[in-house]
Amino acid sequence: TQLLEQSPQFLSIQEGENLTVYCNSSSVFSSLQWYRQEPGEGPVLLVTVVTGGEVKKLKRLTFQFGDARKDSSLHITAAQPGDTGLYLCAGLNTGFQKLVFGTGTRLLVSP
Amino acid sequence: DAGITQSPRHKVTETGTPVTLRCHQTENHRYMYWYRQDPGHGLRLIHYSYGVKDTDKGEVSDGYSVSRSKTEDFLLTLESATSSQTSVYFCATGTGTYEQYFGPGTRLTVT
Repeated sequence: TQLLEQSPQFLSIQEGENLTVYCNSSSVFSSLQWYRQEPGEGPVLLVTVVTGGEVKKLKRLTFQFGDARKDSSLHITAAQPGDTGLYLCAGLNTGFQKLVFGTGTRLLVSP
Repeated sequence: DAGITQSPRHKVTETGTPVTLRCHQTENHRYMYWYRQDPGHGLRLIHYSYGVKDTDKGEVSDGYSVSRSKTEDFLLTLESATSSQTSVYFCATGTGTYEQYFGPGTRLTVT
């Protein structure tokens, strides 16, 4: 069974701080995705990274896929209250078209 | 937004009763998925479909069945609901590339 471990599980910070969330596995994935989920809603895709070593930026969010395609990180610069939510990483095994989700990181950004 | 609706959005049922959850999509996506989300477990795949009448089991399929008679509809049935099936259920669709698009979820409580 492929597993994705996310750390930290909870993060409570002040507006303006920087943070990094990690997603690690012993398995290789063909791609890795990051989702954000708000209370009472389904996850919404933020980004997909496909190539080992790939870095993608989405405004204040920077996503990196590890060289060996086993891990990923999400870095948020100058966090804002609107960044509050549950962040989920998910790895895709192309052969089965099924996502394996991490356990999530719950982020709270206070004004 | 993949145009995914789920019904009902909330349901309370008694142990031992059958329950059917419906997912409807308007995007003509080939793949459809049912997940459950529980604290500490993230999202876990129950069943998925790769075409009309083509379905397969996910990692937590015991006690669940699915049917897909039309491209746009994917039904999840709890044959005899148990308290351990109290959860939030999400439907998702995909085109077979990387991304999956999630519905708003159904909160099911089994008493």
